[in-house]
Amino acid sequence: DSGVTQTPKHLITATGQRVTLRCSPRSGDLSVYWYQQSLDQGLQFLIQYYNGEERAKGNILERFSAQQFPDLHSELNLSSLELGDSALYFCASSPREEQFFGPGTRLTVL
Amino acid sequence: AQSVTQLDSHVSVSEGTPVLLRCNYSSSYSPSLFWYVQHPNKGLQLLLKYTSAATLVKGINGFEAEFKKSETSFHLTKPSAHMSDAAEYFCVVSDRGNQGGKLIFGQGTELSVKP
Repeated sequence: DSGVTQTPKHLITATGQRVTLRCSPRSGDLSVYWYQQSLDQGLQFLIQYYNGEERAKGNILERFSAQQFPDLHSELNLSSLELGDSALYFCASSPREEQFFGPGTRLTVL
Repeated sequence: AQSVTQLDSHVSVSEGTPVLLRCNYSSSYSPSLFWYVQHPNKGLQLLLKYTSAATLVKGINGFEAEFKKSETSFHLTKPSAHMSDAAEYFCVVSDRGNQGGKLIFGQGTELSVKP
């Protein structure tokens, strides 16, 4: 158990819908990262937050957004969902260079 | 820019034989390198990390990796494979070295272990 929690574990929804994925980092970690894992793209960095502020952006679509709250938990919002958004979404928290990953949220868009 | 290349997409070994998973990296500066393991339908677990200390790094479950700057390699080894080692393994480089930053993943090597 990494100490990083993610909810929900599974999410099934329809095209055009909006979903929110939630992540709670390890106690004391200020950085939260979001990654997407898909069969065709592999593991790709989406976005990083540090102590409530956006720190870095990767290959994140404009339909996706995230935020980190004062209690350091983070949410990833995915809107206008398409079939191709089906993937495993991981969040990770980090004290410095290594990152500890949550169990992931598997999103299926039908 | 930082990148990693895993040289084998699939490796198959027999239980009790050595494991070698190969990784080459490219980095503009002294890299921070990691190996993560992902068991089926599970999250990613950190096996070991290299952050410019000892070049031979020991990790969990008997795995180790050697950083070779001259060869830009960071291969993962284990003397004796166990059935529970069957999983996907990712070689990873940090975007900003020991300052943290996003992780850049290789494409993964699937390890199969035959009884």
